[in-house]
Amino acid sequence: QVHLQESGPGLVKPSGTLSLTCAVSGGSISSSNWWSWVRQPPGKGLEWIGQIYLGGSGSTTYNPSLKSRVTISVDTSKNQFSLKLNSVTAADTAVYYCARNGDWSLEYWGQGTLVTVSS
Amino acid sequence: EIVLTQSPDTLSLSPGERATLSCRASQSVSSNFLAWYQQKPGQAPRLLIYGTSNRATGIPDRFSGSGSGTDFTLTISRLEPEDFAVYYCQRFGTSPLYSFGQGTKLDIK
Repeated sequence: QVHLQESGPGLVKPSGTLSLTCAVSGGSISSSNWWSWVRQPPGKGLEWIGQIYLGGSGSTTYNPSLKSRVTISVDTSKNQFSLKLNSVTAADTAVYYCARNGDWSLEYWGQGTLVTVSS
Repeated sequence: EIVLTQSPDTLSLSPGERATLSCRASQSVSSNFLAWYQQKPGQAPRLLIYGTSNRATGIPDRFSGSGSGTDFTLTISRLEPEDFAVYYCQRFGTSPLYSFGQGTKLDIK
């Protein structure tokens, strides 16, 4: 069964860039075409950040609310994909999850990693 | 943007009882595009139901989903102690591609 594991700094300074990686194990990342990032501020609900499509040119789709600050990329040789969110503020403090897309849903999730934006 | 509103915000029931959770969309949603998740404290969400009524792999048959158009329901036929959690509905669509309801907390009465 596929396993996803997020990694990256747990603390980012305001105006800095949040960078996370999702390592995929238990199978090739190419076994599925679509991979997503989702976040959840402490005590709040879920917000989809964006996805990357492994077919073709690796196209991405982002949440319009974050589009100007987000980049999702993939490294198939390392079986992982990544998230960058720039110009962060305290409002970006959240648990960040990576996920494998299923049938118009998010089928498998990583355990999540808390990123705090603070000086 | 289609907004999903879940009700109630909190549902207090006892083990063995039946739970009915509602998800209402501000515009019609294709039945293919509605999913439900369970989230326990400190854990990632887990996919329960996709395509309105299809159980995800390994999900017990006490969980069922139904609905169409703007009204969707997650039913848990007989609550087990491990079912007390927060439940989210999710829609696939456009702008943004995925969006979630605010969640219903199912707690022990």
